[in-house]
Amino acid sequence: QKEVEQNSGPLSVPEGAIASLNCTYSDRGSQSFFWYRQYSGKSPELIMSIYSNGDKEDGRFTAQLNKASQYVSLLIRDSQPSDSATYLCAVWGRGAQKLVFGQGTRLTINP
Amino acid sequence: NAGVTQTPKFRILKIGQSMTLQCTQDMNHNYMYWYRQDPGMGLKLIYYSVGAGITDKGEVPNGYNVSRSTTEDFPLRLELAAPSQTSVYFCASRPGLAGDTQYFGPGTRLTVL
Repeated sequence: QKEVEQNSGPLSVPEGAIASLNCTYSDRGSQSFFWYRQYSGKSPELIMSIYSNGDKEDGRFTAQLNKASQYVSLLIRDSQPSDSATYLCAVWGRGAQKLVFGQGTRLTINP
Repeated sequence: NAGVTQTPKFRILKIGQSMTLQCTQDMNHNYMYWYRQDPGMGLKLIYYSVGAGITDKGEVPNGYNVSRSTTEDFPLRLELAAPSQTSVYFCASRPGLAGDTQYFGPGTRLTVL
């Protein structure tokens, strides 16, 4: 089992709809979770972090964490073409020295 | 703050050549990382450092070397370049505090022919 797994893509969503990105992790002791966005040819940029169970909202983005199910998700409301990118889920590995990344989900927002 | 900077942005190497990818951060971060990302793939950790003078291997260290003589700099050395090392290389850093995360440089696109 991979340490961090994301739902396989690519994911295509119409403009204005809600995009839902999912991630599961294997280390039950993980405490910190992150979503990065990576545009083609660019470096990953942090868009959300979440540490406690429940929802965390930032503008059109909502991160959801369920530690019991070892599941973290990212919802993008009112999706825009500019949201088209690859989204990476990341979790601190054991000892919190190395960030473990999922393989990424490529999201395309169709006008 | 400039953040994490990487040089060069692009480089073409011939098989067997060597080069050093430079990475510098001006945020006084303790931790620094090197990743490679092949086309359409995820990030793979090459080496990381938890402070000056301390480095450790990631999941794909073969063919690379690193050093960390200062807090600011974390160069990645490629010896005897091979076509399999064609990739985009990202450097990242983080303060090293509980709950913090990494910040990435802009990347170096390397082609080995």
